Amino acid sequence: GNSVTQMEGPVTLSEEAFLTINCTYTATGYPSLFWYVQYPGEGLQLLLKATKADDKGSNKGFEATYRKETTSFHLEKGSVQVSDSAVYFCALSEQGAQKLVFGQGTRLTINP
Amino acid sequence: ETGVTQSPTHLIKTRGQQVTLRCSSQSGHNTVSWYQQALGQGPQFIFQYYREEENGRGNFPPRFSGLQFPNYSSELNVNALELDDSALYLCASSRDWVGVNYGYTFGSGTRLTVV
Repeated sequence: GNSVTQMEGPVTLSEEAFLTINCTYTATGYPSLFWYVQYPGEGLQLLLKATKADDKGSNKGFEATYRKETTSFHLEKGSVQVSDSAVYFCALSEQGAQKLVFGQGTRLTINP
Repeated sequence: ETGVTQSPTHLIKTRGQQVTLRCSSQSGHNTVSWYQQALGQGPQFIFQYYREEENGRGNFPPRFSGLQFPNYSSELNVNALELDDSALYLCASSRDWVGVNYGYTFGSGTRLTVV
């Protein structure tokens, strides 16, 4: 079946550091890929998405590129801020499917 | 946009009881999905409704059931509660059927504890 694997957390960085959160997936078809973010006490928010191979999703300084050859969708940000502290979820949706399949989440803490 | 509102925010139930969780979606969002998020895990898909009909279901037993109403509200019902049902239950809505074009808008969830 379809699955998403994220790098183990938690991740702790200093402000202005470079961020990478790894995400790889297993899917039978050509899924759409997503990153969702969950701030404390809030619901999940869509951060960015990519719907086909080589697409780059970007938002709020975060980027992720859909790599079909490595089945990956790694999240990157060049300079993180304290306000980026949250839990980040990688997810996929198969073509025509009604559900999102999530990874286990990566808790990110940014220290000033 | 008003977002997705869930109630209650927290709930404690006894094993064997029944529970109803409620969700109010954004106007115009014809699709609503429910997810279960155990502590430290990613959300797991329970089921989805589109225009008041169930159109997808995850690996959850029949004692998990739902309803969607014409006014964009919906319910998740769980019968015969078990200790393992303790989790955060998330409601998500979307304008389109599979949430690809517009994404899903999630509520803040209901934290259910079964004792």
